[in-house]
Amino acid sequence: EAQVTQNPRYLITVTGKKLTVTCSQNMNHEYMSWYRQDPGLGLRQIYYSMNVEVTDKGDVPEGYKVSRKEKRNFPLILESPSPNQTSLYFCASSFSPDLYTEAFFGQGTRLTVV
Amino acid sequence: AQTVTQSQPEMSVQEAETVTLSCTYDTSESDYYLFWYKQPPSRQMILVIRQEAYKQQNATENRFSVNFQKAAKSFSLKISDSQLGDAAMYFCAYTHAGNMLTFGGGTRLMVKP
Repeated sequence: EAQVTQNPRYLITVTGKKLTVTCSQNMNHEYMSWYRQDPGLGLRQIYYSMNVEVTDKGDVPEGYKVSRKEKRNFPLILESPSPNQTSLYFCASSFSPDLYTEAFFGQGTRLTVV
Repeated sequence: AQTVTQSQPEMSVQEAETVTLSCTYDTSESDYYLFWYKQPPSRQMILVIRQEAYKQQNATENRFSVNFQKAAKSFSLKISDSQLGDAAMYFCAYTHAGNMLTFGGGTRLMVKP
């Protein structure tokens, strides 16, 4: 089944404790991205990747890191989480970075930083 | 920068009736795509309908249709014969190229039995 898989789905952590949210897709998509969803603000893009080893900042990159060592994986790293990073996070992928192709979303990760 | 605005934080509709969700956007581009996504309590993002800006004809998908007014930069979603399963958060979104989606703040739709 074609899908984008995020783990974990729920995470509660303490301020300053490094964490990684994994994202994997099995559709051989080139384009992957991370969004955070906050009430009233919709989804905002954090980082995106056009292909392996090619990443770039989205609208709200502060406090986040990403890597794209393999085509299928695009982990989101919070080196020192803070309470303002409490949010719902989505990974998305699509076939091409150049032309529009449908974006597939993961199931979301609810992160709480206390 | 592109912006997408949904002016209705919450809407409610009686089952079997019709409801329209509003969306406006701002862009200087002439070629772009617009979308409506549905997010039920499961949190899954589900693509409801898509409109390509160069197409004048409004997109339809079964009970879902859009009213795309390019000059007014308006993109509303009409849901006909509303069902209980339509209750969800709805997001309007825009992309010009490169697949970065810009989302509105969302409209929570409640369906009353």
